Amino acid sequence: SQQGEEDPQALSIQEGENATMNCSYKTSINNLQWYRQNSGRGLVHLILIRSNEREKHSGRLRVTLDTSKKSSSLLITASRAADTASYFCATSTGANSKLTFGKGITLSVRP
Amino acid sequence: DTGVSQNPRHKITKRGQNVTFRCDPISEHNRLYWYRQTLGQGPEFLTYFQNEAQLEKSRLLSDRFSAERPKGSFSTLEIQRTEQGDSAMYLCASSLEGAAYEQYFGPGTRLTVT
Repeated sequence: SQQGEEDPQALSIQEGENATMNCSYKTSINNLQWYRQNSGRGLVHLILIRSNEREKHSGRLRVTLDTSKKSSSLLITASRAADTASYFCATSTGANSKLTFGKGITLSVRP
Repeated sequence: DTGVSQNPRHKITKRGQNVTFRCDPISEHNRLYWYRQTLGQGPEFLTYFQNEAQLEKSRLLSDRFSAERPKGSFSTLEIQRTEQGDSAMYLCASSLEGAAYEQYFGPGTRLTVT
């Protein structure tokens, strides 16, 4: 079963604009990770935020985590056409750290 | 390149045939995971290894599926008597042990069962 639910399902923006994607989950987590997937290819790890962290930055990426609301957001600033991809949030629970993914968000950045 | 590698990248097989996929994790990673992804969905967990021990299997992994990691390094995933419903992308990931570590994914093996 898929724990994470991303919102919106699809997002289309102009190059240079910011893109905000949200993820909600259902159970307690160890950490939450965001991945990017280009069409038909493997997943690229973007950023990990631990359950005791509230915000994290990496380059143009900003991730927040609200464990009380069981939600996370991913902000991509100054988007580029190369950011066009599917984005997934994945939660890690339990000792085995297996990931539970949402269905993903399709981001299109228009040049 | 020291990332996760998977072979083959694509496999087309006829229903009823057996197929085997290989995953080579990042060398210092002792955890290895298999996931399956169908079109329009996120990956779903299949099984994972810590070193050579297979510690958890998903209910998605029917008796036709078997995975091994004999020396705690590379892993194989075999599907026997393939069915059309097995068509999917099979993804392998590896990580260090512990809840705080990222999982790094390979490029996947796309299986098409005709």
